[in-house]
Amino acid sequence: GAVVSQHPSWVICKSGTSVKIECRSLDFQATTMFWYRQFPKQSLMLMATSNEGSKATYEQGVEKDKFLINHASLTLSTLTVTSAHPEDSSFYICSPTGQLNQPQHFGDGTRLSIL
Amino acid sequence: AQKITQTQPGMFVQEKEAVTLDCTYDTSDPSYGLFWYKQPSSGEMIFLIYQGSYDQQNATEGRYSLNFQKARKSANLVISASQLGDSAMYFCAMRDEVAGTASKLTFGTGTRLQVTL
Repeated sequence: GAVVSQHPSWVICKSGTSVKIECRSLDFQATTMFWYRQFPKQSLMLMATSNEGSKATYEQGVEKDKFLINHASLTLSTLTVTSAHPEDSSFYICSPTGQLNQPQHFGDGTRLSIL
Repeated sequence: AQKITQTQPGMFVQEKEAVTLDCTYDTSDPSYGLFWYKQPSSGEMIFLIYQGSYDQQNATEGRYSLNFQKARKSANLVISASQLGDSAMYFCAMRDEVAGTASKLTFGTGTRLQVTL
């Protein structure tokens, strides 16, 4: 069964809207959460890393004020795209991680389309 | 810095045949893990196989095997007895595995596999 639950799976909304994406680890406590973004026909690129109870660290070029990450518990992390614009349209996917030497699983992803 | 290279943008294979997807990597980390994921058109990342850098034997998972050649820094995926459902995008990825830390995955650009009748 699924070890990571991510929703919503698909969002279409107007420019200027804020969108919240939730990621839950179901079978283990996720001390770290990785958020990736994938543009069409491209690979996954890391956006940010969060650790439970602390602030997220963002990759170069990712606006921390636009992509708000909250990792308040060991089973839930959220990514909020604030004031979304068409260029934010992408596939967002989370990957919680706990122990080493374990497969790193992913949520099913969220397709975000901003009109 | 870590780097993953997948030189095959697309591959075709006939049903029931075996296929090898290439992956080379570069890292200065003494301990690392190598992964292969399958991404169908629906988008989810499906974990296929994992190889630790200190594992002596090549990893196998059902029809998937990882041909790990550490000296050549390659980690090719072999899919045996291809099925139509294997048609998808395949990503090779790696992460640093220094003890006690959980590191991000670095991905290659992917290989699109098409299985034909």
